[in-house]
Amino acid sequence: EADIYQTPRYLVIGTGKKITLECSQTMGHDKMYWYQQDPGMELHLIHYSYGVNSTEKGDLSSESTVSRIRTEHFPLTLESARPSHTSQYLCASGDTGAGELFFGEGSRLTVL
Amino acid sequence: GNSVTQMEGPVTLSEEAFLTINCTYTATGYPSLFWYVQYPGEGLQLLLKATKADDKGSNKGFEATYRKETTSFHLEKGSVQVSDSAVYFCALKLDKIIFGKGTRLHILP
Repeated sequence: EADIYQTPRYLVIGTGKKITLECSQTMGHDKMYWYQQDPGMELHLIHYSYGVNSTEKGDLSSESTVSRIRTEHFPLTLESARPSHTSQYLCASGDTGAGELFFGEGSRLTVL
Repeated sequence: GNSVTQMEGPVTLSEEAFLTINCTYTATGYPSLFWYVQYPGEGLQLLLKATKADDKGSNKGFEATYRKETTSFHLEKGSVQVSDSAVYFCALKLDKIIFGKGTRLHILP
């Protein structure tokens, strides 16, 4: 069973609010990822990190930001949420060799 | 560039039917190949994988064979159950992981 956790699972907020989606893993993985999943199911990589103090933007441009101060923790922040940010956000982690990713259960964000 | 193409859904089958979900890939190199499954309200989880040509991955009655000559990794199951209803993602990994767009599967009782 994967040991990667996301909070909150569901969040409904108003436009302009600042939000942080939390992601933590206890597997000691160096690599962590944030994906945005649209209603059509497709996954879009928005941020990734290959280790502490390393963060990169993914294939899909996003107004969110991330940080990686500790190996186990990879939070995503939106400074000012908008309705266009409404989506499912999935966090994942993996080690360097095997290639397999472990996913959290997701955070479903609704911005009114 | 590297890419994954999988059959579009939704796929609707009756219980105990035979399932095939097609997946083909383009890669500059020798990728590892994966199938992930996403049950309703959950994140993705690894279903099976294969790391080299002719390898067969299998799990929970699902199978897929790494076919280098046809650049394919089709997912099969001989007799599906209602509990198999989910979204299935094919993926490849070289320097990074690339996912297909997902195929939604509905199994009718």
